[in-house]
Amino acid sequence: EAGVAQSPRYKIIEKRQSVAFWCNPISGHATLYWYQQILGQGPKLLIQFQNNGVVDDSQLPKDRFSAERLKGVDSTLKIQPAKLEDSAVYLCASSFLPGYEQFFGPGTRLTVL
Amino acid sequence: DAKTTQPNSMESNEEEPVHLPCNHSTISGTDYIHWYRQLPSQGPEYVIHGLTSNVNNRMASLAIAEDRKSSTLILHRATLRDAAVYYCILSSADSGTYKYIFGTGTRLKVLA
Repeated sequence: EAGVAQSPRYKIIEKRQSVAFWCNPISGHATLYWYQQILGQGPKLLIQFQNNGVVDDSQLPKDRFSAERLKGVDSTLKIQPAKLEDSAVYLCASSFLPGYEQFFGPGTRLTVL
Repeated sequence: DAKTTQPNSMESNEEEPVHLPCNHSTISGTDYIHWYRQLPSQGPEYVIHGLTSNVNNRMASLAIAEDRKSSTLILHRATLRDAAVYYCILSSADSGTYKYIFGTGTRLKVLA
């Protein structure tokens, strides 16, 4: 069974630039999550989708971050404009339904200079 | 949201059992206890979860205190591949989202 795919794996940008991350969850998984993991900390949930609807985005900095999951499958997370403090690993995860085991992708390591 | 408290780091000798503790004194009746681990440069992976009773699977055992205010993840024979950060997480069925709140976890070092 293929796992959660993410791209790119690494990205380096200047502050105030824009960046987008892509996630392809496990086939058949209705729930998709984006987490931010700053070095030395545990992952922090940014947004949770159920199919193509948002069920929790309380921790998403909506002035600069946006995410979508248009067809209930793939998802993109965008940062515009990036700040230095956005340097982190961005993890995508999926689960069959909320409450089921979450499967994580390898993450995208973002460095903002 | 209920929080968990874990030691920052622990060490174990290879092939010895490891007991990783977690305190969750504010746990509610509908909170599930989950354990995930994160190997270097990888995303977290599921280890085990439970609600009230002790649980066993091929990776580990989960011992839950009778009052549910603490739990212990047991690795029966630690290997070098078990060196990772272990996260104890509560998720509530009440919210419908089963949201995870990760702490900083316990970094397990396995000595050869």
